[in-house]
Amino acid sequence: DAGVTQSPTHLIKTRGQQVTLRCSPKSGHDTVSWYQQALGQGPQFIFQYYEEEERQRGNFPDRFSGHQFPNYSSELNVNALLLGDSALYLCASSLWGGYTFGSGTRLTVV
Amino acid sequence: GNSVTQMEGPVTLSEEAFLTINCTYTATGYPSLFWYVQYPGEGLQLLLKATKADDKGSNKGFEATYRKETTSFHLEKGSVQVSDSAVYFCALNPLDTGRRALTFGSGTRLQVQP
Repeated sequence: DAGVTQSPTHLIKTRGQQVTLRCSPKSGHDTVSWYQQALGQGPQFIFQYYEEEERQRGNFPDRFSGHQFPNYSSELNVNALLLGDSALYLCASSLWGGYTFGSGTRLTVV
Repeated sequence: GNSVTQMEGPVTLSEEAFLTINCTYTATGYPSLFWYVQYPGEGLQLLLKATKADDKGSNKGFEATYRKETTSFHLEKGSVQVSDSAVYFCALNPLDTGRRALTFGSGTRLQVQP
């Protein structure tokens, strides 16, 4: 049984560009959350999706947006990239209290 | 709001030493508490959890007890191994459900020397 799958694993973008990160949840999980982990820091909650709608949002600007598809997979979009957006982006899927994390996408903005 | 405070690292120990990583939290109500571990280049793996006061979570020789009176969830292991070298994160979930955001501490790096 595959766990949470994230793609791509690494990405380099230029300031001002846009990026899309993808996440396939663990089989049976219907809720997807996204976290940003800056180097040397703990993960910070970006937002959470279930039933194809954003249900909670952390303290992130509108440049960060997302989507959940009918098969529960999800995308994270970041517009107008800043150097400070460089981080590991983690996707976590869940059902009832059990969270499973993917290995993350390492985004570098240059 | 909710918050988690962990002791700063790195924590450097010799193999077979006793480990304690302190974690305290601020939250209303009765959150669930977690310890996650992150190995280099990887995502987060759940190490253990506790969902109510005085519960003890345990896994792979690690233990943590949910202390509501001191709002703490300290991680302990009696004898660490080199393979335990990783970053450890304490986290809370305000409700025992997968539909709430996790709040993480800043992480504690553990380095175990042979």
